[in-house]
Amino acid sequence: DTGVSQDPRHKITKRGQNVTFRCDPISEHNRLYWYRQTLGQGPEFLTYFQNEAQLEKSRLLSDRFSAERPKGSFSTLEIQRTEQGDSAMYLCASSFGTADTQYFGPGTRLTVL
Amino acid sequence: GENVEQHPSTLSVQEGDSAVIKCTYSDSASNYFPWYKQELGKGPQLIIDIRSNVGEKKDQRIAVTLNKTAKHFSLHITETQPEDSAVYFCAASQPFGNEKLTFGTGTRLTIIP
Repeated sequence: DTGVSQDPRHKITKRGQNVTFRCDPISEHNRLYWYRQTLGQGPEFLTYFQNEAQLEKSRLLSDRFSAERPKGSFSTLEIQRTEQGDSAMYLCASSFGTADTQYFGPGTRLTVL
Repeated sequence: GENVEQHPSTLSVQEGDSAVIKCTYSDSASNYFPWYKQELGKGPQLIIDIRSNVGEKKDQRIAVTLNKTAKHFSLHITETQPEDSAVYFCAASQPFGNEKLTFGTGTRLTIIP
């Protein structure tokens, strides 16, 4: 399977704990996006990378959130001191370049107790 | 920023009938309009997209139309089948910067056998 993969698929954590998610984009895709989707809503943009450079962050991405793409390949999204409001599906998408289709992974569903 | 509205929020049609979902967008600079299908527990899957230099695009039973003047676009599914049951999202993006997708709130389509 050469699609976008995400790990883990599900994460349950207690409020205040830190969590980290991983995204592996389609090979040779230089753009990588993170979105968040809450129940009954469409995905909302969080941040994106062009190769290893993080070029934009949404206002939704508080200081507790950090994302990296160290070698321009896989990316990680870390949430520190999780809150119940962080419960959502975190989606990763990748595209080859400018004006290209974004392909989504299966998502990581986070539940904060 | 861009705002995308989607209607209806739920739609039930008899198997074999057609389904139409409509979206409007606010930013006239938007020029790329994809439609995604999302099944329970999965990430969004691209089903068709259209760019602003064309007014209509068709792929087998699925078609999308775009009216740039009115700033709205629609998804048409003909000869609906039970496997078409899912949540459908429209989205819009602009040709410069990060090309992030702004999504509608989704339409839950149910095909009645």
